[in-house]
Amino acid sequence: DVKVTQSSRYLVKRTGEKVFLECVQDMDHENMFWYRQDPGLGLRLIYFSYDVKMKEKGDIPEGYSVSREKKERFSLILESASTNQTSMYLCASSYWLAGDSSGNTIYFGEGSWLTVV
Amino acid sequence: SQQGEEDPQALSIQEGENATMNCSYKTSINNLQWYRQNSGRGLVHLILIRSNEREKHSGRLRVTLDTSKKSSSLLITASRAADTASYFCATAWAGKSTFGDGTTLTVKP
Repeated sequence: DVKVTQSSRYLVKRTGEKVFLECVQDMDHENMFWYRQDPGLGLRLIYFSYDVKMKEKGDIPEGYSVSREKKERFSLILESASTNQTSMYLCASSYWLAGDSSGNTIYFGEGSWLTVV
Repeated sequence: SQQGEEDPQALSIQEGENATMNCSYKTSINNLQWYRQNSGRGLVHLILIRSNEREKHSGRLRVTLDTSKKSSSLLITASRAADTASYFCATAWAGKSTFGDGTTLTVKP
């Protein structure tokens, strides 16, 4: 089975701190994603990556950056955490089959609950 | 921007009844997927239907897709208390998936 592992399940950070959320997948997937989920707002895409060292902005990239130095690892960075970044963060991955965009089953981690105080 | 929109937002039924959730979207898609999320957990993939398919079954799940109406429905038959969860549709285009806000299903024993 595909496994997407998020390193921290619950975090409490102070305003202004730099926060790293780590995610590792074990299925050699090309694509990796970071979403945040808030009540009433559904899942919103922050950043995604199609390959090592590649990144694309999602719908709400402001205040976030990402790093993908290895294929299996995708990190979300909050350079200076703010209270409005209190949320649940979901990492996900999927394969990319060249010439076949009809796939894209996405596998999610269990989520990281971040509270910024 | 969110593309899939689920309807209803919340649904409460008795065990054994069928549950139907709908999803509408606005633009072209390669496929549409349904996911389930138990409270406080990650999303789990349930079923994928491609844009050239009209209906798909998996166990107690039945998904339909009407690309002319840009809509899909998820039917859960003979519901169980363990089906209580939030259900999301996601539309995929060019490798990127966009999720709706979800339907919260409560199945009462």
